[in-house]
Amino acid sequence: KAGVTQTPRYLIKTRGQQVTLSCSPISGHRSVSWYQQTPGQGLQFLFEYFSETQRNKGNFPGRFSGRQFSNSRSEMNVSTLELGDSALYLCASSARQGFGEQFFGPGTRLTVL
Amino acid sequence: DAKTTQPNSMESNEEEPVHLPCNHSTISGTDYIHWYRQLPSQGPEYVIHGLTSNVNNRMASLAIAEDRKSSTLILHRATLRDAAVYYCILRDVQNAGNMLTFGGGTRLMVKP
Repeated sequence: KAGVTQTPRYLIKTRGQQVTLSCSPISGHRSVSWYQQTPGQGLQFLFEYFSETQRNKGNFPGRFSGRQFSNSRSEMNVSTLELGDSALYLCASSARQGFGEQFFGPGTRLTVL
Repeated sequence: DAKTTQPNSMESNEEEPVHLPCNHSTISGTDYIHWYRQLPSQGPEYVIHGLTSNVNNRMASLAIAEDRKSSTLILHRATLRDAAVYYCILRDVQNAGNMLTFGGGTRLMVKP
């Protein structure tokens, strides 16, 4: 079974631009969660989607948004990029909500200049 | 969410057992104890989880104190590949869906 894939793996943007990151979960998994990892703040939860509906949201500004498609693939978007948005963005998939193992992708490394 | 406390770092010799402690004194009755680890340049991976009883799987063992205020992840024979950051996470599955709240974790260094 293929693992969680994230594209692109690396991205460089400038302040003020917007960016869209993509995550393809493991086949059959309906839950996709997004996390931001920085050296200063560690791993922080962004949001979770299950069956195309956002189920949980972390404490991030509205510039961070996401969506999930009917095939469970998910995208997250960051508008008006700031230098502090430079981070590793990780996506995790799970077969069901509320319990069970989560499988993480390798992440997208975003650098904002 | 209930908070966990872990040492910042630990060192081990290869082929020896490793005991990684986690304190969670404010754990609630519906909190499961989960462990994930993050190898260098990779996303986190699930290790093990438990509620009250000790648990074993192919990767590790989880020992849970009788009062559930602490737990210990046990790697029976550390290998160089086990060098990673280990996260102890409480999951209240009734309230938090699939959200994981990561703390600082313990960086495990394995010496050959």
